[in-house]
Amino acid sequence: QKEVEQNSGPLSVPEGAIASLNCTYSDRGSQSFFWYRQYSGKSPELIMFIYSNGDKEDGRFTAQLNKASQYVSLLIRDSQPSDSATYLCAVNGGTYKYIFGTGTRLKVLA
Amino acid sequence: DTGVSQDPRHKITKRGQNVTFRCDPISEHNRLYWYRQTLGQGPEFLTYFQNEAQLEKSRLLSDRFSAERPKGSFSTLEIQRTEQGDSAMYLCASSSGTGAETQYFGPGTRLLVL
Repeated sequence: QKEVEQNSGPLSVPEGAIASLNCTYSDRGSQSFFWYRQYSGKSPELIMFIYSNGDKEDGRFTAQLNKASQYVSLLIRDSQPSDSATYLCAVNGGTYKYIFGTGTRLKVLA
Repeated sequence: DTGVSQDPRHKITKRGQNVTFRCDPISEHNRLYWYRQTLGQGPEFLTYFQNEAQLEKSRLLSDRFSAERPKGSFSTLEIQRTEQGDSAMYLCASSSGTGAETQYFGPGTRLLVL
């Protein structure tokens, strides 16, 4: 079983819609959860992090965490073509080490 | 630019040659990480420094790989006797070691071994 799992996609949504990206993790001791955006050929760029159960909003982005279900998601409201990228979920177990998922490729259709 | 920087951005080499990459972290960050990323995969942890001390090396890091951070500032990653399987993006990240331990990535060095 992979430690951090994401659907590879592509997830296609029309412009202006809500994109929902999901991630599950296996280590119940995980403490911090991160979403990164990665454009093709570029390095990961931090979108936001969350470490408490519930929702955290930052502009058009909302991260949701459910530690009991070992599930973290990212919602992107009013999706734009410029949001088309691969979204990486990363989990930190309270140490220095991040475990990344393989990423979900998002395509926002104009 | 106060972000993480890496040099070179691209490297093409022949199999068997040695290559060295450099990473300059965000200046106030004492933690530095190296990752490797291949197509369609997420970044895979290679090694970690706190100041000048290398505290962990992944089993992915064979004895052909060595990393240093001599003065706790910039770091180098050297690959000796490169193989075609070493072709990947090598990413450096840094963090302050406080709070949620957020890591910030550099632009990466893309290595192609012919």
